Amino acid sequence: GAGVSQSPSNKVTEKGKDVELRCDPISGHTALYWYRQSLGQGLEFLIYFQGNSAPDKSGLPSDRFSAERTGGSVSTLTIQRTQQEDSAVYLCASSLEGQGQAPLHFGNGTRLTVT
Amino acid sequence: GDSVTQMEGPVTLSEEAFLTINCTYTATGYPSLFWYVQYPGEGLQLLLKATKADDKGSNKGFEATYRKETTSFHLEKGSVQVSDSAVYFCALNRYGQNFVFGPGTRLSVLP
Repeated sequence: GAGVSQSPSNKVTEKGKDVELRCDPISGHTALYWYRQSLGQGLEFLIYFQGNSAPDKSGLPSDRFSAERTGGSVSTLTIQRTQQEDSAVYLCASSLEGQGQAPLHFGNGTRLTVT
Repeated sequence: GDSVTQMEGPVTLSEEAFLTINCTYTATGYPSLFWYVQYPGEGLQLLLKATKADDKGSNKGFEATYRKETTSFHLEKGSVQVSDSAVYFCALNRYGQNFVFGPGTRLSVLP
């Protein structure tokens, strides 16, 4: 079946512009995560959606970052007034939340370059 | 809060060498434990998992055993190949909580 789909795969934007990154999780997955991965670095947690619960936004690095998940499915990560330090690969993942045993399924990411 | 610690990389091995990548965790309760792998230019993939103490996860010749007494989940492979060159991430998850990832360990296998 279809995996986690992210779009665009690559995005180049000028400093100061706003960008929107989209994630389509696997159908039926109730949990959705956004991570950021800078070149050669580990995963930086950004935000976590679980069903109808309030999202865990504790990883968002500044108020320029926001995310929403409409209808419990598609999610959009928005970065306002982009800065060069925002350049990274943004990864989305989803899981079928069970007793904490369900693995994450990752998309291929969106590579964001801020010039 | 919950945390995962991995051995610092990079790890460089010759083909057919034995691999161990250490992973220890701190968590309340009984988390599930995972190893993810990221091959060059690709996204993260689940490699193996274990959901309770003494469980052994295995896949593609890799193994890891959930050791609650030592809070560890070390990744092992008896004979690595060049194609195993990748970054390996240890992770844990508890019900209703966020996944917690280690910093990743880069493995390079030389022919």
